[in-house]
Order: sequence, then structure tokens, then C-alpha cells
Amino acid sequence: QQQVKQSPQSLIVQKGGISIINCAYENTAFDYFPWYQQFPGKGPALLIAIRPDVSEKKEGRFTISFNKSAKQFSLHIMDSQPGDSATYFCAASKNFGNEKLTFGTGTRLTIIP
Amino acid sequence: GAVVSQHPSWVICKSGTSVKIECRSLDFQATTMFWYRQFPKQSLMLMATSNEGSKATYEQGVEKDKFLINHASLTLSTLTVTSAHPEDSSFYICSAPSDMPRGEKLFFGSGTQLSVL
Repeated sequence: QQQVKQSPQSLIVQKGGISIINCAYENTAFDYFPWYQQFPGKGPALLIAIRPDVSEKKEGRFTISFNKSAKQFSLHIMDSQPGDSATYFCAASKNFGNEKLTFGTGTRLTIIP
Repeated sequence: GAVVSQHPSWVICKSGTSVKIECRSLDFQATTMFWYRQFPKQSLMLMATSNEGSKATYEQGVEKDKFLINHASLTLSTLTVTSAHPEDSSFYICSAPSDMPRGEKLFFGSGTQLSVL
């Protein structure tokens, strides 16, 4: 099965710090890489997504860095806030997001005061 | 923006009964919908892809007769867990691809927590 590997499994960051979550994929046919945020008992919500034709995308405090040759991408959350405490999933799909998503294993992020 | 409505949010049922979960695209048409299952503290695992007007495509290891999927219209897909057992207790989430050329590609429902006693 196509895999997307995510690390770390859990992460604790102090308020105001930078949270960094990493993902690696195997299938070079993937061309759409979104990040989702999920709170307990809720469905995932899209944070930010990137295509492999760019190496970085920034939206507010969230930045995706993408390394096509290494088949890796990461999420950076700047100025992390307690409200950012949630589980984050990276994902990948083909056909620019019009096909099924393969999710990473998730990272439980906790922002401490 | 586009919204996917999933109902019910939670359901408790006795072992052996069947449970139906509905997923509706509220302001766009979805010829395809995806059904995921998520166990506590785990990732979302794709169960099946429902296709309007044709049979659903199931992922390897998912029992077709256990998890019945019907894509009755361009805005409605249903997942029926038949003869539910405690091991079927999980969080079920549907999603639908947007028909917009730009912006968010996939919209998720709010999920259904199924508890089988």
C-alpha cells in the first residue's frame, strides 16, 4: 500500500515556539500534499496544501516546506499557540487532489504556556 | 465554502443491529465520496470510494457485505454497518471532492462516532 510516514508521533512545544512536523512519501505519482488539523471528535480540517512545483508555501503562521528529490515535506507552525493543540495529519494524493488521500500516522501537538 | 454534512454525529447501538450513516454535499455535486474509519489515536484509513450510479470500490480487507455503501444521488452517500459488533466501534468520516477548479480539494464531514454495545 502506498505509504506516507509521519514524525514525530507526539510533540510538545512552548507557547510562541515553532512546531515542526515531518512527512515522507514513497509514490512519486503523488502530486498534492495537504496538511489537516483535527480536534477530538471532529473531522479533519484543511490547513494548507502544496503541489510539487513549489518548494515552500506560507499561509499565515503555517508554512509547508517541500523537497521533491528527497520525497519529504514538513509543516512549520510559527508562534505556536495553545489553540494549536490538536492532532495533525499530512496526506498525499494523485491527480492534484482529485483522488483518494493517503494519510500519515498523525502527530499529537501540545502547546504549553 | 462547500460543506459536507454527516449524520448522525454519534450513535450507540446493540450488537447485531445495523446502523446507517449519511453524508451529504450541501452546495455542490459529488459523483465520488470517500469513507474513512479512524480508531482512537490512529490515522484515517480509507474504507471505500462510493460512486454515484455505480458500485462502490472497497479497499483491501474491507468487507463489502458488512459495510454497505450506496451513492443514491449526486449529493448523498450512505454507509450502512450491518450486524454491527463491538469491534466495529470507531469514528467514521466521509469526504467529498470539490467541483471547484481552485481552492480546497476535499471537504470532510464532521464524523460519526459509532459505539456498539
